[in-house]
Amino acid sequence: DIQMTQSPSSLSASVGDRVTITCQASQDISNYLNWYQQKPGKAPKLLIYDASNLETGVPSRFSGSGSGTDFTFTISSLQPEDIATYYCQQYDNLPQVTFGPGTKVDIK
Amino acid sequence: QVQLQESGPGLVKPSQTLSLTCTVSGGSISSGGYYWSWIRQHPGKGLEWIGYIYYSGSTYYNPSLKSRVTISVDTSKNQFSLKLSSVTAADTAVYYCARIDGASQFDYWGQGTLVTVSS
Repeated sequence: DIQMTQSPSSLSASVGDRVTITCQASQDISNYLNWYQQKPGKAPKLLIYDASNLETGVPSRFSGSGSGTDFTFTISSLQPEDIATYYCQQYDNLPQVTFGPGTKVDIK
Repeated sequence: QVQLQESGPGLVKPSQTLSLTCTVSGGSISSGGYYWSWIRQHPGKGLEWIGYIYYSGSTYYNPSLKSRVTISVDTSKNQFSLKLSSVTAADTAVYYCARIDGASQFDYWGQGTLVTVSS
């Protein structure tokens, strides 16, 4: 099974700060990785697919990069509405998919 | 715009079977190209993929739940369903249904429904 880890597990940053979250896979997953945002009490929302592609309608301050085992998710300028938990998800070993444990982002 | 809505009992007794239905609107399950999935989230925890189904009836389950899970589809009603047998308190969670685009990304989600397992 492919295991996913994320770091940090939580972070606190100021409005306007650049925020970076990393996701690591236990084996090479090429670019088969997606990123989701989940606000409290809401369903997750797809932000980034195939590691670096921005889903339609998602603000350009969100971006993703990486391939192989190491991936990065970035918010270029943190906004108050970005308070959420962010999850990575791999789909390299279909039909199984695995989510990372999540990173909670708060405003300082 | 595709919309998904979960429905079913919010309280299930231990050892019984949890049954949920997801109704899809704004698109046809039978159109193909998409998989239809169930995911759950234990209180305060992360996301756990349960399984998914294609409109043809092909299913794929998380190995950790496979012995207790059945996902089915009713294309005439544009619905798909989840049954989880022999539930315990550990199955208490918010259950989401979602569409998978190309068997890779979950692009549309239901709002989620909390199912509590308790006597």
